[in-house]
Amino acid sequence: KAGVTQTPRYLIKTRGQQVTLSCSPISGHRSVSWYQQTPGQGLQFLFEYFSETQRNKGNFPGRFSGRQFSNSRSEMNVSTLELGDSALYLCATTSLRGGETQYFGPGTRLLVL
Amino acid sequence: KNEVEQSPQNLTAQEGEFITINCSYSVGISALHWLQQHPGGGIVSLFMLSSGKKKHGRLIATINIQEKHSSLHITASHPRDSAVYICAVSPGNTPLVFGKGTRLSVIA
Repeated sequence: KAGVTQTPRYLIKTRGQQVTLSCSPISGHRSVSWYQQTPGQGLQFLFEYFSETQRNKGNFPGRFSGRQFSNSRSEMNVSTLELGDSALYLCATTSLRGGETQYFGPGTRLLVL
Repeated sequence: KNEVEQSPQNLTAQEGEFITINCSYSVGISALHWLQQHPGGGIVSLFMLSSGKKKHGRLIATINIQEKHSSLHITASHPRDSAVYICAVSPGNTPLVFGKGTRLSVIA
């Protein structure tokens, strides 16, 4: 079985731009969660999607948004980028919502200049 | 105060040593996860447990629900075990809450 894939792996943007990151789950996995990891804050939950519906949202501003498609692939978007958005963005997928082992993708490293 | 506390923050060990990483949490949980993150960022889920003890190779994870405490043990440590180990808890049907991680370096 192919693992969780994330694209792109690396990204450099400037302040004010927007960015879209993609996550393709393991075949059969319907739940996708997104996390932001920074040296200062560690791993923080962004949002979770299950069957195209956002089920949970973390404490992030409205500039952070996401969606899930019918094939379970998910995208997250960050608009009006700020320097502080520089981070490793990870997605993780499970077959059921909650209570299951999460399988993480390799992450997208975003640098905002 | 963080809901999930890990100790130590950093740990250096000689190859072959027995290693223990601790995790304490303050909320009710349905499960606790131990994750491993190597340089480069990729995260691997090592264990998910809600009671007792689990073993996989040289890794052992234990949890005491009453004391809200879990430990991750590595027996016969090896330089390839060098990584950041992260404890995370599932407070029911809500998102994972993560500890800050323990950075382990195993020296040959």
